[in-house]
Amino acid sequence: DAKTTQPTSMDCAEGRAANLPCNHSTISGNEYVYWYRQIHSQGPQYIIHGLKNNETNEMASLIITEDRKSSTLILPHATLRDTAVYYCIVRVAESGGSNYKLTFGKGTLLTVNP
Amino acid sequence: DAGVIQSPRHEVTEMGQEVTLRCKPISGHNSLFWYRQTMMRGLELLIYFNNNVPIDDSGMPEDRFSAKMPNASFSTLKIQPSEPRDSAVYFCASSFRGGFFGPGTRLTVL
Repeated sequence: DAKTTQPTSMDCAEGRAANLPCNHSTISGNEYVYWYRQIHSQGPQYIIHGLKNNETNEMASLIITEDRKSSTLILPHATLRDTAVYYCIVRVAESGGSNYKLTFGKGTLLTVNP
Repeated sequence: DAGVIQSPRHEVTEMGQEVTLRCKPISGHNSLFWYRQTMMRGLELLIYFNNNVPIDDSGMPEDRFSAKMPNASFSTLKIQPSEPRDSAVYFCASSFRGGFFGPGTRLTVL
């Protein structure tokens, strides 16, 4: 899997948008960008994933640059409950026999402040 | 759906004892992953299965660890004999286009 680079930590004010960057300059054409988060003492939680188009769901938006070498996860209105470690992962899609394991790095600790 | 179910949620045992962790994946998911998390090493992938077949067990630390998936609705991770350095939170995740994690088992080996 391609490696990713994320800032160690970020702060955000409650109610403001949180923009979490991720660099994945060695991403391959068949690799997707996945985002997870882990709130203290809980299991990681799937947020969103995408290949090359921007994606949006009820939790967040994912913006992937045209060259696919970086992406940004956007939490449009951060709340205190969004304080967590956010992981950016690149992996191939799941299909029989492919190596699509999820490998977690250190992630970004996002702290949402009141 | 109840999500990924893991049992027990907490396990305290003595060094040398056998430990068995259990996981029930989400119905219809064809991939299952076992992870271990510690403060020092973060989230480590131990092994993963696709359609009940082990695909990659390169993360299994040593022969004391073994994992099985006898059917699509059940998997076990066994440690025999356990050691204090095995103390960690063990997560199971099942996946179909995205991994969904269980609540984890907190293992303490005294």
